[in-house]
Amino acid sequence: AQSVTQLDSHVSVSEGTPVLLRCNYSSSYSPSLFWYVQHPNKGLQLLLKYTSAATLVKGINGFEAEFKKSETSFHLTKPSAHMSDAAEYFCVVSDSSSNTGKLIFGQGTTLQVKP
Amino acid sequence: NAGVTQTPKFQVLKTGQSMTLQCAQDMNHNSMYWYRQDPGMGLRLIYYSASEGTTDKGEVPNGYNVSRLNKREFSLRLESAAPSQTSVYFCASETSYSRGQNQPQHFGDGTRLSIL
Repeated sequence: AQSVTQLDSHVSVSEGTPVLLRCNYSSSYSPSLFWYVQHPNKGLQLLLKYTSAATLVKGINGFEAEFKKSETSFHLTKPSAHMSDAAEYFCVVSDSSSNTGKLIFGQGTTLQVKP
Repeated sequence: NAGVTQTPKFQVLKTGQSMTLQCAQDMNHNSMYWYRQDPGMGLRLIYYSASEGTTDKGEVPNGYNVSRLNKREFSLRLESAAPSQTSVYFCASETSYSRGQNQPQHFGDGTRLSIL
């Protein structure tokens, strides 16, 4: 069965410093992997998507993620945090065991950015 | 450029009352989904509709029903609300699913539901 684990429930960084949000997944198939961001009182917005074309995936707002099959990881990074990056981030894996578009969400990581 | 629209945005119910949450998308997407979000638990799938005319249970369907009214609209009904259903509910849509090729899901802004 597919699953996804976000290793940190809360990450705090200073503005201008790098961001690392960690995600491990479990999948019996070649997974589709996503990172979504949720700002307060808003819905989820897609940051980036991995679909096996390239292991390093670039997303919006300067974020990128690297797919590492050997480590079953899909960590999200950004070289320099901005105050507007403060939000909740979800790592998501497709439920490839069924012939549907069902997604499995991690528990979320809250990113705090300090001035 | 509305995307996915959910109504209402907020609602307070008493235990035992019924309610329907509405969702509409204007992107001509085939697949639609209902999730609930609870603190520390990410999003959990309640029901989904892979295409117009079909609906299926997700991870947490108990206490809910859905209707795929047409291609645009997918409603979620609580027949007899319980305090455990206090949550934030999100509707999402997706172009169409081909096995192993998830497309990004587009989310509404959510309905915040409190049941007393």
